[in-house]
Amino acid sequence: EVQLVESGGGLVQPGGSLRLSCATSGFTLSNYLMSWVRQAPGKGLQWVANIKQDGSDKYYLDSVKGRFTISRDNAKNSLYLEMNSLRAEDTAVYYCARVPGIAAAGRSFFDIWGQGTMVTVSA
Amino acid sequence: DIVMTQSPDSLAVSLGERATISCRSSQSLLYTSNNKNYLAWYQQKPGQPPKLLAYWAATRESGVPDRFSGGGSGTDFTLTISSLQAEDVAVYYCQQYYNPPWTFGQGTKVEIK
Repeated sequence: EVQLVESGGGLVQPGGSLRLSCATSGFTLSNYLMSWVRQAPGKGLQWVANIKQDGSDKYYLDSVKGRFTISRDNAKNSLYLEMNSLRAEDTAVYYCARVPGIAAAGRSFFDIWGQGTMVTVSA
Repeated sequence: DIVMTQSPDSLAVSLGERATISCRSSQSLLYTSNNKNYLAWYQQKPGQPPKLLAYWAATRESGVPDRFSGGGSGTDFTLTISSLQAEDVAVYYCQQYYNPPWTFGQGTKVEIK
């Protein structure tokens, strides 16, 4: 069964840091571009970051550039999101999501989603 | 950024009746070289992650019931549920993957009348 399981969320003060992890199973991670997508409480979906299959290229939402870093370890079947200088507006459920191979090169929609991990930025 | 606008924000439909959701993009999502529209649809039930329903505007994801159908081209798209079932109560989102950043509509909540 294809599965994504996020962890690492929690309560953090403004300006603080957090590292999210996404454990994958049921497919070969190295074959897929991967993403993080977030959803603020009661709000819609917002793409955050992408990373290519070999980790060579990374893309970010403008509002998180310079603060968030996406990475992956294909040998460990894991995806990560390092979040620094956190702001109240980063409060959201963060989903790990897979981009299917049928997506056009460099483009992203999402066929498999994890259950999400909640990040709360508050004093 | 491409802005995605869905309408209505919510709708209530009787069981067995048709539900139609509209999605409009601020620029065309049609890539003329391959004649494909770079638009996806998702369903999100309360407390669950989104689920992919369709991509290329009209290609249904494997396992999705055929009462769900996507259509449209360019800047105007629709998701139709031909005969609403109780399990279809959810929020539905469109998403463009034509240009980064990949953006979603604000969502349409579908309820039973």
